[in-house]
This record gives sequence, structure tokens and C-alpha cells, in this order.
Amino acid sequence: QVQLQESGPGLVKPSGTLSLTCAVSGGSISSSNWWSWVRQPPGKGLEWIGEIYHGGTTNYNPSLKSRVTISVDKSKNQFSLKLSSVTAADTAVYYCARKGGYATPLDYWGQGTLVTVSS
Amino acid sequence: EVVLTQSPGTLSLSPGERATLSCRASQSVSSSYLAWYQQKPGQAPRLLIYGASSRATGIPDRFSGSGSGTDFTLTISRLEPEDFAVYYCQQYGSSPWTFGQGTKVEIK
Repeated sequence: QVQLQESGPGLVKPSGTLSLTCAVSGGSISSSNWWSWVRQPPGKGLEWIGEIYHGGTTNYNPSLKSRVTISVDKSKNQFSLKLSSVTAADTAVYYCARKGGYATPLDYWGQGTLVTVSS
Repeated sequence: EVVLTQSPGTLSLSPGERATLSCRASQSVSSSYLAWYQQKPGQAPRLLIYGASSRATGIPDRFSGSGSGTDFTLTISRLEPEDFAVYYCQQYGSSPWTFGQGTKVEIK
């Protein structure tokens, strides 16, 4: 059973960079899966941020592409999200999730971590 | 990008009743690559349906999905107390992958 766990600062200053890591257990990040980030502002819906394949191929939401970097660390079996130039609008619960392939649904999710952008 | 519109916004029903949730896409969803998720307060979304009509592992058969092209439906045949939650549709046929705004199923 694959498990995912997000970690990172819960508070980021405006104009700073949000950095989160997702640790994968119960499976290898080098398997034929895509690894995704999704966020949810408080009381609102879900927004797909982007994803990465273990070989390093990435796919980003155009609405965030200029500020997003997703990377993978095979040695630690984890992947990471960096979102730059954050504002209060980036305050959200951030989820990491797994997809079985490119055009497949998100079948395993982390529990989510709340990141607040505030000075 | 494909815009998904869910209706109604809120559905007020009693346990044992049938729930019918709609998801309409702004353009045809490739190969019926449409999923439904359930989300309870404080929890991550859980995959219910993929490929428009296939149940994910461990999902009870009271949940069913149907539709193709631009119109999709999630049906819960008889609501159990644990089914009261928010439901999201998502298309994964055309990047960027997008979600609907959600339908809340609440106890009447």
C-alpha cells in the first residue's frame, strides 16, 4: 500500500518561496507512476498544480507554470514542490498524490499540509 | 483548458435516498477520462470512480458513474450516513487536468 506524507513550513512570508516535500513509502518513486501536487484554498475547491515522472519529465498547470518547480529525489524516495513569489492567494492545503500513469486519475493521496502566506 | 461545471452546488437528502450528481464539461472529455472523488472535512479526497464508470478498489457498489462526451453523472443508489460529503469530478484526458467546483451532499 503506497503512502504519501507531505512536510514543510506551515508559514511563508509574502514574496517568498513555498517549499514542500512528499515522502513516498510502500513503493518506489522510480516505478511507472506520475507524482503530483494539488492544492485547496480554505473552503474552496481543488486545483492541480503539476506533476513529475521519475525520469524528470514535468507537466505544470499553465496558470502557475512561471512560479512552480517540481523535482524528484530518487535516493530519498521523495519529490518536492517549490512555488515562488507567493501571495496570500497561495494560502491552501497542499496535497501530494500519485497517478498510475500519464492520463490516469489520482489514486493515492497524502493527508495534506496547510501552508499560510502571511507576514 | 477543459472547464467542468458541477450541479447542483448542494444536495439535501436523507439517508436511504438516491443522489444524482452532474458534471458537465466545456468540451468533450477524451476517452471518458473522467474521475469522481469524495472528500470529507479535514481529509484528502478519495478516488471513487475512474474512466467515467469504473469503481476504484474497495468502493461500494452503491456508487456508480455514467456518461460520455461532455455529460457525466455520479449516482449513489442509497445514501449511507458516511456518504455525506463533498464530491468532485476531474478530467484527466487533456492537460491541464481540471476539477469541478464540487457538490456538497448534506443531510436533510
